[in-house]
Formats: sequence, structure tokens, C-alpha cells
Amino acid sequence: DAGITQSPRHKVTETGTPVTLRCHQTENHRYMYWYRQDPGHGLRLIHYSYGVKDTDKGEVSDGYSVSRSKTEDFLLTLESATSSQTSVYFCAISGRQGAYSPLHFGNGTRLTVT
Amino acid sequence: GENVEQHPSTLSVQEGDSAVIKCTYSDSASNYFPWYKQELGKGPQLIIDIRSNVGEKKDQRIAVTLNKTAKHFSLHITETQPEDSAVYFCAASMETSYDKVIFGPGTSLSVIP
Repeated sequence: DAGITQSPRHKVTETGTPVTLRCHQTENHRYMYWYRQDPGHGLRLIHYSYGVKDTDKGEVSDGYSVSRSKTEDFLLTLESATSSQTSVYFCAISGRQGAYSPLHFGNGTRLTVT
Repeated sequence: GENVEQHPSTLSVQEGDSAVIKCTYSDSASNYFPWYKQELGKGPQLIIDIRSNVGEKKDQRIAVTLNKTAKHFSLHITETQPEDSAVYFCAASMETSYDKVIFGPGTSLSVIP
């Protein structure tokens, strides 16, 4: 799995509570991404990072924030979880900029917001 | 923005038969088209990709074709095996825009022994 660890693998939380998902990589790749996967929607980009402390929004960023203080760690935070954020979240990394660089995904975090 | 459609959403084939999954994209500027395979409980993994300057690419039992004029591309799996059962995603992106990899909704392939 290209040295990507996501934690936790499963999480159940209540509406309104903060949640942080962690992605840790051992590949020393510069680019990191958070996607969410929902039936009928494929994978949609939430946020991405192109270096330490350098992040930007993806197509479904509302309600999410990210931080990257070290090359190897990329955190996704739901400040106040809502039921619409129930999903499977995937972290991905790539070694270089540009669409020709394939994404390597972690095994996902299944988040349920009750 | 880019939109990627994928058909069929589910596909069942007998072991040994071929499987074809088709995708269309909307943005003519897209020039890179990867395919990912996702097994149960795992993240997607790249299985093959094609760039816009190539019409076809093969890797053993899998092949991808691209028709830039019609803006569609397809995945072909020959001599299917039970281990090919998975969800397959097509995607489209532009070389200079790493934040714009747009995925199709996925195809669940079942290979019946």
C-alpha cells in the first residue's frame, strides 16, 4: 500500500463533535490528498497538500480543514461533524506534480456520524 | 468543470469471458486517463493509464483505448478470472492540474466461476 497508514480505520461519532483523521506516509512524497468516497459519486477531492504547511481546497471542502506540519503527516479535521459527512475517507499520495503522476491510496477510514 | 461518466455501474461475466467498461469525459483539455481497481476493504490501486497522445495501451490481460474526438475511453479485460472481481474507477485529469483528477462513479465487476 505504498507505505500509507490511515487512522483510525473505523470511527463512529455524534453530530456536532469534532473529528480528526490521520494519514501517515513513509514514502517521503511531497503531494498528499484527502478524498471521500460515496456510492454513485466515485472519489471526490476534499483538500490536498503540495508541501509542509501548503494546502488547498478541493471540490468538496466545505466543513473540512486540513493541516500538514510534517512531510509524513496529513490531518483531516471535521470541526463539527454532520450526518452528510458519513463516508469512507481515503488519503492518497503522489511523488510529483502533474496529472501523469499516479495516486497511491491508503486503505481508508470509515466514518459514521449519528 | 470536468465531468466523467462511467457505464455500466454493475457488470457480471462468466470466468474466461471479456469485460468492457466505458467512460466519457467532458473537458477536451483532459489529457491523462488512469484506471483504478478497488478490492473490498482496500483503497483504489492504479492498474493502467493512458495519455492523450496514445490511442491504445495493453498490459497482459487488460487494455485501455482512447478516442479523443468522441471524448471516451474504455477498459477491456480479457480472459477474466475471479480475482478480477472488484470495483473499477476511471478518471480524467490535466497534466498541469494535480488537483483536478476527476473520477467516474465506478463499476462493480463480478466474475462468476
